[in-house]
Amino acid sequence: AQSVTQLDSQVPVFEEAPVELRCNYSSSVSVYLFWYVQYPNQGLQLLLKYLSGSTLVKGINGFEAEFNKSQTSFHLRKPSVHISDTAEYFCGLNTGFQKLVFGTGTRLLVSP
Amino acid sequence: DSGVTQTPKHLITATGQRVTLRCSPRSGDLSVYWYQQSLDQGLQFLIQYYNGEERAKGNILERFSAQQFPDLHSELNLSSLELGDSALYFCASSVAPTGGNGGYTFGSGTRLTVV
Repeated sequence: AQSVTQLDSQVPVFEEAPVELRCNYSSSVSVYLFWYVQYPNQGLQLLLKYLSGSTLVKGINGFEAEFNKSQTSFHLRKPSVHISDTAEYFCGLNTGFQKLVFGTGTRLLVSP
Repeated sequence: DSGVTQTPKHLITATGQRVTLRCSPRSGDLSVYWYQQSLDQGLQFLIQYYNGEERAKGNILERFSAQQFPDLHSELNLSSLELGDSALYFCASSVAPTGGNGGYTFGSGTRLTVV
């Protein structure tokens, strides 16, 4: 069975600092990987996705993620965060044969 | 606007009551997924429909039921409501039966408060 682990439930960071949100996955077959963002009182919005090809994926709002097959990881990064990036971030995995599996989420708290 | 429409946005009801949440998927999407999000349980998958048929079931209580209609909109029925059912209920949709390489498109949710 496939699974996703988000290692940090909460990540506090100062504005303009870099951030990395960690995501590890488990699957015996090829996967599609996703990061979603949920701003307060809103639904989940697709941030970026990895399907195949280049392992570095760029998304909206300056975020990027790197697919590492050997480490079974798909960590999300941003070189300089803003207050407006405060939100919950969900990593998701899909094999193409089963529904999306989500991690438990990481709350990013950006303070001035 | 994601293209997935959920109504109502907010709902306040008493314990023991029954409510219906509605979801219209993005145009062209055949699959509808329902999720419950609460502070203590996180994002929980409830149930999925694809082109009118139930496709996958998650942590859905027996007091809850859902269906997808011929026009592809879906309804989630919650009955004998308890305080612990207070949560955000999300609907998502996708073209493929599993989401495939496109992922899901989420609605903005219905916030249910049971008093």
